[in-house]
Amino acid sequence: KNQVEQSPQSLIILEGKNCTLQCNYTVSPFSNLRWYKQDTGRGPVSLTIMTFSENTKSNGRYTATLDADTKQSSLHITASQLSDSASYICVVSSNAGNMLTFGGGTRLMVKP
Amino acid sequence: DTAVSQTPKYLVTQMGNDKSIKCEQNLGHDTMYWYKQDSKKFLKIMFSYNNKELIINETVPNRFSPKSPDKAHLNLHINSLELGDSAVYFCASSVLTSGGPYEQYFGPGTRLTVT
Repeated sequence: KNQVEQSPQSLIILEGKNCTLQCNYTVSPFSNLRWYKQDTGRGPVSLTIMTFSENTKSNGRYTATLDADTKQSSLHITASQLSDSASYICVVSSNAGNMLTFGGGTRLMVKP
Repeated sequence: DTAVSQTPKYLVTQMGNDKSIKCEQNLGHDTMYWYKQDSKKFLKIMFSYNNKELIINETVPNRFSPKSPDKAHLNLHINSLELGDSAVYFCASSVLTSGGPYEQYFGPGTRLTVT
């Protein structure tokens, strides 16, 4: 059964600090892995997409890593801002990439 | 200039009623989706349409019926609403190409509450 697990479920950090969110998956076959940011009351917005051959990708202060051998990914946020408060969802795409398996998300709260 | 829009944003209704949620995208994409986000925040795909044709239909009660009048619209009609249908429903769209990966763009969601 395809599954995506994320940790921690929730995280509170102070503004300006860095943090790392984890994602483990058992999706097969693997096509790509995405990280989405979901603000409260909004739809998910894509941060990064990585294919099998990519092991790191950055989008501003967000840096995602992928280890396809261990089926793990992380999202590192540097110099956090209040606007980073949101849920971060790891999503793995299988086969042709049309089927997405979503993780439950990590709820991040950045406090001043 | 909203890319993917949904109406209504909030929907409160009683058990047994029939309701519809509308979705429109102005991105020129040929594939649209409906997702359900439950109380545990997991998003699960319900339907996918490509060029007005159903290509994915996950295990969803047949009370749910998607309708795609054209490539830019994918509406979701729900009959005989039940308490368990309460959730946030997201519409999304993407371009289905032979290469990849492609990107899915999500609407703002419709929060359905069945009382």
